[in-house]
Amino acid sequence: QVQLLQSGAEVKKPGASVKVSCKSSNYPSTGYYVHWVRQAPGQGLEWVGWINPNTGGTNYALKFLPRLTLTRDTSITTAYMELSNLTSDDTAMYFCAKTTRRGDWFDPWGQGTLVIVSS
Amino acid sequence: EVVMTQSPVTLSVSPGERATLSCRASQSVSSKLAWYQQKPGQAPRLLIFGASTRATGVPARFSGSGSGTEFTLTISSLQSEDFAVYYCQQYNIWPPMTFGQGTTVEIK
Repeated sequence: QVQLLQSGAEVKKPGASVKVSCKSSNYPSTGYYVHWVRQAPGQGLEWVGWINPNTGGTNYALKFLPRLTLTRDTSITTAYMELSNLTSDDTAMYFCAKTTRRGDWFDPWGQGTLVIVSS
Repeated sequence: EVVMTQSPVTLSVSPGERATLSCRASQSVSSKLAWYQQKPGQAPRLLIFGASTRATGVPARFSGSGSGTEFTLTISSLQSEDFAVYYCQQYNIWPPMTFGQGTTVEIK
């Protein structure tokens, strides 16, 4: 059974950066993409970007440029999302999710990582 | 950007009744549409992809239809575990991939 396991909750001050991890288990080493989706409290879902864990190729939603960096460590099958210059508007649950192709449906999802930005 | 609009925002349904949720795209997304169910404190769960294909393990009471700009998710006979928020997502024209704002299915 494929799984995505994310790192724990974070509390950050405005202007700081946060790095969230997403570890894949029971996946083949190639042939999938990891996307990031966020959800502000009580709000809907917002696509953030994707990374190809095999090539390191990325694509970011324009609104997050230039604050967003997606990376991966193939040796430990883990993808990372780093968001810098945080504001209170970045307070949200951040999910990673897998697609088989770059543009596809998301399945499965990680359990989510809550990021709180507060002074 | 393709704007996805779901209706209604809230749907009040009695257990055992049929629920019909709508999703409209601002331009054609062909059949590249997915539906997700989200319960409080949980990640979304894939229900439907390709507008009408049920994901593995999804009960047959869930069905999807539509293509182009108009889509429907139908739950034929609501069970207690089906009360949740439902989102549609298009993956035809991107970036960005876009979601509807969600429909809350609540107990009447």
